[in-house]
Amino acid sequence: NAGVTQTPKFRILKIGQSMTLQCTQDMNHNYMYWYRQDPGMGLKLIYYSVGAGITDKGEVPNGYNVSRSTTEDFPLRLELAAPSQTSVYFCASRTPAGAQETQYFGPGTRLLVL
Amino acid sequence: QQQVKQSPQSLIVQKGGISIINCAYENTAFDYFPWYQQFPGKGPALLIAIRPDVSEKKEGRFTISFNKSAKQFSLHIMDSQPGDSATYFCAASKGSTLGRLYFGRGTQLTVWP
Repeated sequence: NAGVTQTPKFRILKIGQSMTLQCTQDMNHNYMYWYRQDPGMGLKLIYYSVGAGITDKGEVPNGYNVSRSTTEDFPLRLELAAPSQTSVYFCASRTPAGAQETQYFGPGTRLLVL
Repeated sequence: QQQVKQSPQSLIVQKGGISIINCAYENTAFDYFPWYQQFPGKGPALLIAIRPDVSEKKEGRFTISFNKSAKQFSLHIMDSQPGDSATYFCAASKGSTLGRLYFGRGTQLTVWP
């Protein structure tokens, strides 16, 4: 099991450019999440999905879009990159709800917008 | 608006000592309280979690204490080791939000040998 994988690990974008952050999980989890982490601010939820074809906004969705065509993949799209989107982005997937529910995080994508 | 407030921001503890990190919340609908550990350059990893039907949960050197009436919970790391040096995040979620986690701002723990 590779768990949750993210690509790329690091990217520099110019203001106004677009890119897609890739996320794949091999645990057959229905629930997947995208967070951004800014220094001293914890993690903020951008978007989440409860299964293929179903997505919803989190706390900070502006400037981002997602799609979920398969259980495994949950890409995050940045349109018209802005310096405020400089952050570390984490994808996560979750086991079914219950006493042992766990969110598994990927290694992150560090994005710098200049 | 920070739904989960975490303190302190940073903590320095001597090897063998006890590390204590505190969190507070306002939303009484929260019913799941995990702690995550994050090493530099890595994603967060679940350390230990508790639900409000118990006041304490212990796993090895890590203990969560939960005070439902005060809406507070804390992480205790006994016999702290240099390998415990990391950033710790508390979080909370409620069953109706499909696993959405609300994170505290994190505590950077340094354990001196």
